[in-house]
Amino acid sequence: QKEVEQNSGPLSVPEGAIASLNCTYSDRGSQSFFWYRQYSGKSPELIMSIYSNGDKEDGRFTAQLNKASQYVSLLIRDSQPSDSATYLCAVNRVGPDSWGKLQFGAGTQVVVTP
Amino acid sequence: EAGVTQFPSHSVIEKGQTVTLRCDPISGHDNLYWYRRVMGKEIKFLLHFVKESKQDESGMPNNRFLAERTGGTYSTLKVQPAELEDSGVYFCASSQPGTGEPYEQYFGPGTRLTVT
Repeated sequence: QKEVEQNSGPLSVPEGAIASLNCTYSDRGSQSFFWYRQYSGKSPELIMSIYSNGDKEDGRFTAQLNKASQYVSLLIRDSQPSDSATYLCAVNRVGPDSWGKLQFGAGTQVVVTP
Repeated sequence: EAGVTQFPSHSVIEKGQTVTLRCDPISGHDNLYWYRRVMGKEIKFLLHFVKESKQDESGMPNNRFLAERTGGTYSTLKVQPAELEDSGVYFCASSQPGTGEPYEQYFGPGTRLTVT
């Protein structure tokens, strides 16, 4: 079992619709959760971080965390063609010996169609 | 403010040769990380520096990889001798607790290493 799992996609989303991305993780000690956006050939760009159960909104992005279910999601509202990218879920255990180490999922490719 | 920079952007070397990758973190960031993404796989952690000290090097694949961060500023990652399976994109990231969210890591553009 992978430590962080995401559907690889592609997830095809009509322009203006909501894109919903899911991520599950296996380590119950995980404390910090991140979503990165990566355009082809570019570096991962941090778009959201979440540390507590519930929702966190930033512009068109909403991250949702449920630690009991070991599940984190990302919603992209009013999807635009510029949102077409691979979205990476990353988690951090944050313990005395591993507080810097991010564990990544393989990423979900999102394609927003005009 | 300049982001994380990496050099070179692309390197092509033959098996058995040596390559040195460089990373300059965001100015003032004490934490520096190296990650690697090989074809078709997820990004994997290699190691973490806090200033010039290695905090965690649990992801280093073997002793052909040597990372240094003398003076606590830029870091180098040397691969010697390179093997075919070392091909991939090497990312560097940095973070600084006390500025914004404490564990957010910011990534550089990566170095694409091709070993032939």
